[in-house]
Amino acid sequence: QLQLQQSGPGLVKPSGTLSLTCTVSGASITSSIYFWGWIRQPPGRGLEWIGTLYSGTPYYNPSLRSRVTVSVDTSQSQFSLKLSSVAAADTAVYYCARYFLYANTWFPDYWGQGALVTVSS
Amino acid sequence: DIVMTQTPLSLSVTPGQPASISCRSSQSLLQSDGGTYLHWYLQKPGQPPQLLIYGVSNRFSGVPDRFSGSGAGTDFTLKISRVEAEDVGVYYCMQSAQRPLTFGGGTKVDI
Repeated sequence: QLQLQQSGPGLVKPSGTLSLTCTVSGASITSSIYFWGWIRQPPGRGLEWIGTLYSGTPYYNPSLRSRVTVSVDTSQSQFSLKLSSVAAADTAVYYCARYFLYANTWFPDYWGQGALVTVSS
Repeated sequence: DIVMTQTPLSLSVTPGQPASISCRSSQSLLQSDGGTYLHWYLQKPGQPPQLLIYGVSNRFSGVPDRFSGSGAGTDFTLKISRVEAEDVGVYYCMQSAQRPLTFGGGTKVDI
């Protein structure tokens, strides 16, 4: 059974870097049909795709591209999110997710429980 | 970016009755490979979203057959044939035809 366990600070100072890690168990992080990435949800608002690591290549939302890095550590079965120069608008529940390769697209099919990250001094 | 618009914003339903949610995209989601990449998720209270329907009309593993999806091009519909109490939450459509992946604003369903 797939489990995605998120970890990282729940509070980040403005202009700092948000760092989250998602540990994968119950599935191979090196699968050829599953990929890994992040989505966020500001409090009381909708969902925003952050980025996905597809076959080793990162794809990012252009709105965040200059500040975001998604990476994978296969030896630890983990993938990570770093978002730099954060501001209050980056306060959100951050979800790690597995993405399923379907035809010529990929989309999240399983989500972690989510972690609230607050940007505040 | 492709803008996804859902209607209605909220829906109050009676158990056992049908329900329907619409999703419209600002561009056609039909791709050159013939696929249409529109998906539906349900976010139950206090939980992460869960995949219900992918590729317009394919039910994800374990999803009850009372859920069905239909549509083409820019107009899509999620139908629940007989609503149950466990179906409450916020429903989102999402497109993966073009990056960035984008979500609709959500439809809140309550009993």
